[in-house]
Amino acid sequence: AQSVTQPDIHITVSEGASLELRCNYSYGATPYLFWYVQSPGQGLQLLLKYFSGDTLVQGIKGFEAEFKRSQSSFNLRKPSVHWSDAAEYFCAVAFPGGGNKLTFGTGTQLKVEL
Amino acid sequence: ETGVTQTPRHLVMGMTNKKSLKCEQHLGHNAMYWYKQSAKKPLELMFVYSLEERVENNSVPSRFSPECPNSSHLFLHLHTLQPEDSALYLCASSQDRLGTEAFFGQGTRLTVV
Repeated sequence: AQSVTQPDIHITVSEGASLELRCNYSYGATPYLFWYVQSPGQGLQLLLKYFSGDTLVQGIKGFEAEFKRSQSSFNLRKPSVHWSDAAEYFCAVAFPGGGNKLTFGTGTQLKVEL
Repeated sequence: ETGVTQTPRHLVMGMTNKKSLKCEQHLGHNAMYWYKQSAKKPLELMFVYSLEERVENNSVPSRFSPECPNSSHLFLHLHTLQPEDSALYLCASSQDRLGTEAFFGQGTRLTVV
């Protein structure tokens, strides 16, 4: 079955430190990959997406993600975290043949220590 | 401002009540979605409408009834809900084309008492 896994439920980093959030998917081919962020009391906002081409994609707010086909992963990174980055982060995929429906991971809650 | 507006933002209802959630988008999209977000669970896709026709119903109980009168509006009618239906209900819209970005509303926080 197609699935998305975010193995880290909670992550705490210090402001200014680097960040990597993990995402793995299970699917026989390359899906369309997304990272969304949700601040408290808000809906989801798209950070970045990957469809094809360059496996390192740049997004908003200084985030980037790298697609690794061999590892079925799409990890989100940021070189220097800001306190305002504290939020919940969701990896999502859309599988060809599944319309434009998104399958989400369970999310990673990011806490930033000052 | 994401272009997708949901009302109300918060709703408390009894198990015998009937209420409706409203979603409106002004982005010119032709597909709209209802998602349910419960604590510690992945977002669950409930319904998909494309060109105002329901194209997906993910085994959602009949106490949830969607309605899409036009491409800009989506409703979720609620009746005889259970406490386990308490969750954040998110509406989203996109172009009905694989891989296009989905824009989400801020959600309706529903509490069933």
